[in-house]
Amino acid sequence: AQSVTQPDIHITVSEGASLELRCNYSYGATPYLFWYVQSPGQGLQLLLKYFSGDTLVQGIKGFEAEFKRSQSSFNLRKPSVHWSDAAEYFCAVGAGNQGGKLIFGQGTELSVKP
Amino acid sequence: DAGVIQSPRHEVTEMGQEVTLRCKPISGHNSLFWYRQTMMRGLELLIYFNNNVPIDDSGMPEDRFSAKMPNASFSTLKIQPSEPRDSAVYFCASSWGTGAEAFFGQGTRLTVV
Repeated sequence: AQSVTQPDIHITVSEGASLELRCNYSYGATPYLFWYVQSPGQGLQLLLKYFSGDTLVQGIKGFEAEFKRSQSSFNLRKPSVHWSDAAEYFCAVGAGNQGGKLIFGQGTELSVKP
Repeated sequence: DAGVIQSPRHEVTEMGQEVTLRCKPISGHNSLFWYRQTMMRGLELLIYFNNNVPIDDSGMPEDRFSAKMPNASFSTLKIQPSEPRDSAVYFCASSWGTGAEAFFGQGTRLTVV
């Protein structure tokens, strides 16, 4: 069955520190992979996506993610976290060839310490 | 573009009442998705349309839930009768083409008392 696992429910990092959010997926074919961010009371904003090609993808707000097929992972990284990055982050896999038909992980809540 | 527009943003209703949530997708997008977000189940797909036709409604929890897309610029999600366990945030999203990413609306927070 298709699934997405985000092992960390909550992460706290200091402002300026690096960040890595983990995501593992289970999918039978080459997946479409996404990271979305949700601020309180807001909708989901796409940070970045992987469809094919270069396994290191760059996104908005200084985020990047690396697709590792051998590990079934798509971890999100940022070299220096800003206080405004505090939010909930969702990893998702696109089921089939329909990019909007998503299976989401449970989310990781990021807190940023001053 | 104004993005995906959902209304109302907040809805409080009494158990047993009918609730209708509305969505206007991004102009030109041909796929529309309804998601529900709860603490217990996270984000789950309820139904999606392609070219106004329902393609997969396997996520619709019960017959009390129904969705329509009468034209390319409007969709509704209806719950009749509503129950307290339907309380959640409902998101609408739209996309264009195969494999394209979905753009989400701000959501409707539904509270059934």
